[in-house]
Amino acid sequence: DGGITQSPKYLFRKEGQNVTLSCEQNLNHDAMYWYRQDPGQGLRLIYYSQIVNDFQKGDIAEGYSVSREKKESFPLTVTSAQKNPTAFYLCASSMRGPNVLTFGAGSRLTVL
Amino acid sequence: QQQVKQSPQSLIVQKGGISIINCAYENTAFDYFPWYQQFPGKGPALLIAIRPDVSEKKEGRFTISFNKSAKQFSLHIMDSQPGDSATYFCAASIRGNTPLVFGKGTRLSVIA
Repeated sequence: DGGITQSPKYLFRKEGQNVTLSCEQNLNHDAMYWYRQDPGQGLRLIYYSQIVNDFQKGDIAEGYSVSREKKESFPLTVTSAQKNPTAFYLCASSMRGPNVLTFGAGSRLTVL
Repeated sequence: QQQVKQSPQSLIVQKGGISIINCAYENTAFDYFPWYQQFPGKGPALLIAIRPDVSEKKEGRFTISFNKSAKQFSLHIMDSQPGDSATYFCAASIRGNTPLVFGKGTRLSVIA
């Protein structure tokens, strides 16, 4: 089945540690996105990539980094510079053109 | 600046009733308006979408009403069922050009 796989589903980290969230898609989609979801805040865009080896900052990119070395993969690193990293992180993808997003099941990060 | 304003934040509807969620936008360049449905612990999924050349789109019990002059659009869920209990997000984009901008979400509870 085609879809988006995010891992891990749950992740705990200590303050000051970097953590990388995985996102893999087998939909042959060109574009990939990372959104952060907090209660009452909706979905806020962190980074997005429309083609391999290229990505753009979203509205809340500070403290995050990404790479897009392969079309299928778009990992997100939450660095120690992110002041409030505890959140639900959603990866999505779409064909270039229509903005119909397919989302993964999300990764919940908790900083202890 | 919030580009898409969604209301209400939460909504409780009796089974069989009509659920109405409203969104307003400022950017007149937006030309694609989807609604996403999210169940707890899952990623959002596209529910229904509209473009501004039509004033209404219906898919089963779900209808989008669009008012271009008022820069508003709304989701109506007819004959609401407990299985419709979820968080609903409106969104907007310039089709094929920019990532989706999401509203803050509405948590709908349909009670029997």
